[in-house]
This record gives sequence, C-alpha cells and structure tokens, in this order.
Amino acid sequence: AAGVIQSPRHLIKEKRETATLKCYPIPRHDTVYWYQQGPGQDPQFLISFYEKMQSDKGSIPDRFSAQQFSDYHSELNMSSLELGDSALYFCASSLGQGNSPLHFGNGTRLTVT
Amino acid sequence: GESVGLHLPTLSVQEGDNSIINCAYSNSASDYFIWYKQESGKGPQFIIDIRSNMDKRQGQRVTVLLNKTVKHLSLQIAATQPGDSAVYFCAENRSTGFQKLVFGTGTRLLVSP
Repeated sequence: AAGVIQSPRHLIKEKRETATLKCYPIPRHDTVYWYQQGPGQDPQFLISFYEKMQSDKGSIPDRFSAQQFSDYHSELNMSSLELGDSALYFCASSLGQGNSPLHFGNGTRLTVT
Repeated sequence: GESVGLHLPTLSVQEGDNSIINCAYSNSASDYFIWYKQESGKGPQFIIDIRSNMDKRQGQRVTVLLNKTVKHLSLQIAATQPGDSAVYFCAENRSTGFQKLVFGTGTRLLVSP
C-alpha cells in the first residue's frame, strides 16, 4: 500500500540558510500534519492542513511556513535556519477530520551546521 | 500543564514474554488514543487505537486497555519478538474535529533472543 512520501530524506544546511521539505500524502488523504522530533524526544506538532487550508497550528516558529497544494501535497518552508532546528521532520496524513489514525512518512533529517 | 507521559523509559524482556507498556494522560477531555511504534530511522508506525467509549481493544498480538477513571493507557504485546524492539509512543487526541495528536515520552522496548 502506498505510504506517505517525504523528500529529501536528508538535508544539510548552514545557519541562516533556507530549506524546503516536501510531503506527499497517502492517495485520497486530504489532511496533512507536520511534526518535529528532536533527538530522544517525542514528536511535536507544528501545523496541519485540511483541504488546502490551515486547520491547526502548534509550536511552529514564525520563521517556518507551510502550505498544502491542490494535489494535496504539502511543503514546509524554513528560513533563517538555526542550529536548534536540527531535527527529524515528519509529515503525516489522514482522511478527513475526526478520529482516524495519522499515517507518518519516514521523515526528513535536517542538520544545520 | 497537561501532558501525556510514560512511566518507564526502557523495558527489557525476553523473547516470548508478554510486554506491557504504560502511559498516563492528564486531559479528561481526550477521546481518542493511539499507540505508535518507531524504529530507528523511521517514522511512527500506527499499531492500534482506541476511543474513549471503549476500555479494551485487541489487535494481532496487541491489546490496548484504557482506564478513564485514572487516565491510564496500556499496550500489551503478547509473545514479544525481537522485531518488536523499538520505541513506543502513546498519543492523545485533544482536538475536536481535526486531530492534533499530542505524543507522550516514548518507551524503548528491548527484546532479547
């Protein structure tokens, strides 16, 4: 079965640079979520989109922005990168609103040097 | 503040034993709970979920128990196998309509052959 696809798998950037992470949800899933996971930490919710509109917002820095496109894929844009942004970034998708499981991709590992 | 957490950070068991991973939550308004398994370098993988109108749900080799009185959740894995070695997270849904899963601190399960 098709899963959530994230790209790139690994990304290395320098401080103050920008980065764009991409997420392709499971086909027919209309909701995407972004999570950040630091080393040894649990995933922290950043932001979510339903039908191309932002549906909820968590601990996402103002330096980050995201959007969902007409084909339901999503991009997380990160600017003025800081060392502390180094983490695993996961995208998840689900079908509609309500209580249905989130299915996660394998993440993008961002390293800021 | 409200949080979802786990009692034991590491659980070591022998192959064939039954494993029990516990989780405490503090928001009595939460109505949907999910257990995820995360292997190294991969995203969280859905294991089993349970809604607040249930107190037990069984899957293949896994059982989730929910005790709303004491706000406690547990994951039982029968006949644990080396392939079960991973970090396990419970997650709590605090959002009506759209999901904004809040993850607890993971428990590392180590299964010895």
